[in-house]
Amino acid sequence: EAQVTQNPRYLITVTGKKLTVTCSQNMNHEYMSWYRQDPGLGLRQIYYSMNVEVTDKGDVPEGYKVSRKEKRNFPLILESPSPNQTSLYFCASSFVAVAGASYEQYFGPGTRLTVT
Amino acid sequence: GQSLEQPSEVTAVEGAIVQINCTYQTSGFYGLSWYQQHDGGAPTFLSYNALDGLEETGRFSSFLSRSDSYGYLLLQELQMKDSASYFCASTGGFKTIFGAGTRLFVKA
Repeated sequence: EAQVTQNPRYLITVTGKKLTVTCSQNMNHEYMSWYRQDPGLGLRQIYYSMNVEVTDKGDVPEGYKVSRKEKRNFPLILESPSPNQTSLYFCASSFVAVAGASYEQYFGPGTRLTVT
Repeated sequence: GQSLEQPSEVTAVEGAIVQINCTYQTSGFYGLSWYQQHDGGAPTFLSYNALDGLEETGRFSSFLSRSDSYGYLLLQELQMKDSASYFCASTGGFKTIFGAGTRLFVKA
């Protein structure tokens, strides 16, 4: 089954304790991206990756790190989480269409993170 | 700055037609995508417009006017299961910007 998986699905942690949210896709997509979703703000892009070893910042990258060492995996790292990073996080992937558009993205089930 | 504006809420009756508008102000615009998200679920892709005009996919259609920086999603023959949030998204190269979402309530 074609899918994007994320782990963990739920996480409660404390300020400053490093954590990693994993994301994996089995569709051979070049493009992968991380979003956070907060009430009334829609989805905001944190980081994206156009292919292995190629990443770039989205609109809200502060406090986050990513890496893309393999095509299928795109982990999100919070080195020192703070309460304002409490949010619902989604990983997504897609093929890259003409001229670089990534218009049909497949989303993982989401990770609900609470930082106290 | 870059932004997409859409109404926060729309209410319609089962069997009716509803239109969800999206106006955008983005740089490097490639096209407009639409996603549906049910409560507790992940966004799922509905439709995409790269060129001006109407794209039809079953009960859902999407329209784009590049000259007006405007698009809309049209849902026909509304069903209760269409109650969800709908997001427009601009793809500019590899960067993606989403609108804040429109909550659709379908009443019996």
